[in-house]
Amino acid sequence: GAGVSQSPSNKVTEKGKDVELRCDPISGHTALYWYRQSLGQGLEFLIYFQGNSAPDKSGLPSDRFSAERTGGSVSTLTIQRTQQEDSAVYLCASSLRGTQYFGPGTRLTVL
Amino acid sequence: QQQVKQSPQSLIVQKGGISIINCAYENTAFDYFPWYQQFPGKGPALLIAIRPDVSEKKEGRFTISFNKSAKQFSLHIMDSQPGDSATYFCAASKGGSEKLVFGKGTKLTVNP
Repeated sequence: GAGVSQSPSNKVTEKGKDVELRCDPISGHTALYWYRQSLGQGLEFLIYFQGNSAPDKSGLPSDRFSAERTGGSVSTLTIQRTQQEDSAVYLCASSLRGTQYFGPGTRLTVL
Repeated sequence: QQQVKQSPQSLIVQKGGISIINCAYENTAFDYFPWYQQFPGKGPALLIAIRPDVSEKKEGRFTISFNKSAKQFSLHIMDSQPGDSATYFCAASKGGSEKLVFGKGTKLTVNP
């Protein structure tokens, strides 16, 4: 079946603008994760949704970052007032029983 | 603090050789240790994973060795091929469904 999809694949924005990144998980997967991958760095956890439980937001770097998951499926990561240090690849993953399957990511460039 | 330390940062191996990547972790509550393979422009893909109740797991040319007392685990790629050239990430989590803590990655180049 279809894997995790993310859109857009690339996003270029100006400093101070807001951006929204979308993730479509694998159908039926109850868990959804957002990670950030900066150049030369590993993947950094941002936020985790599991079913109807309150999300684990412990990885969000500032209050400019937020995410929601509607209807237990699609998720949107929003970054307000973007800064140059927000430039990175934002990866979404979903899982049903442990194994996390990653999407191709959204490359965000803040000018 | 960096909870999962990965080495080396880069590795060059000849075709047919053995590639070895090492990781060390700090949190003894971790009980799930996957390795991910990432090609340029793609998301990471699960390669192989181990839980601490076994010391070794093999899948084809890929083997994880796990040393619980030393809090270390490693990936061995036997008979390395040019198609194995990618970035490899080790990771750890508390329970398989929890957030993953990743190492910083190893860029592997296999020369033909």
